[in-house]
Amino acid sequence: SAVISQKPSRDICQRGTSLTIQCQVDSQVTMMFWYRQQPGQSLTLIATANQGSEATYESGFVIDKFPISRPNLTFSTLTVSNMSPEDSSIYLCSVVSTVNTEAFFGQGTRLTVV
Amino acid sequence: AQSVTQPDIHITVSEGASLELRCNYSYGATPYLFWYVQSPGQGLQLLLKYFSGDTLVQGIKGFEAEFKRSQSSFNLRKPSVHWSDAAEYFCAVGARGEGTYKYIFGTGTRLKVLA
Repeated sequence: SAVISQKPSRDICQRGTSLTIQCQVDSQVTMMFWYRQQPGQSLTLIATANQGSEATYESGFVIDKFPISRPNLTFSTLTVSNMSPEDSSIYLCSVVSTVNTEAFFGQGTRLTVV
Repeated sequence: AQSVTQPDIHITVSEGASLELRCNYSYGATPYLFWYVQSPGQGLQLLLKYFSGDTLVQGIKGFEAEFKRSQSSFNLRKPSVHWSDAAEYFCAVGARGEGTYKYIFGTGTRLKVLA
């Protein structure tokens, strides 16, 4: 299994500002993903974080709004830029290990934009 | 395109009753299938998974699921529900693409357990 540390666990931010969320894994993993879970809804994949190259974004998500970095196999960041109240959600980091295709999830970052 | 459907948004059962949560998927190849549980304010916990082999898989907390290829289903079951099972349950499919792999989640089923 993989243990994921995600920071911050929650934050309240002013509209127009940006927040960077960090995801640290205790082992090297093949794939890292970022999801958004809006209140009362399911998980929506934002992007796949690629080591040393640009992230692969899903339809409806763009790099200017959600820049992602992944400098190595154990760490990634997601920035939510120029925030609006509609960005209020839980943001989750997920990893798939090199051993099998089971996904593990961080505890999430609960973001409220006011 | 790959998709996962959970037809029941809410389910209410009495403690001790049996439970079945439905999941249907759309995927061109043999899928990797998962059930996750999310308790209030908690992260997602894997209940069970199906990759290949025996179509009836056992998971944690007394849950099981059966893969039925002909019905494109992967329903979750538990013979006797406990109050602590009240949570949100997500079915997911692992989809492989060209050099990619990602999870697609269903919309979730919220389980309420009556004492």
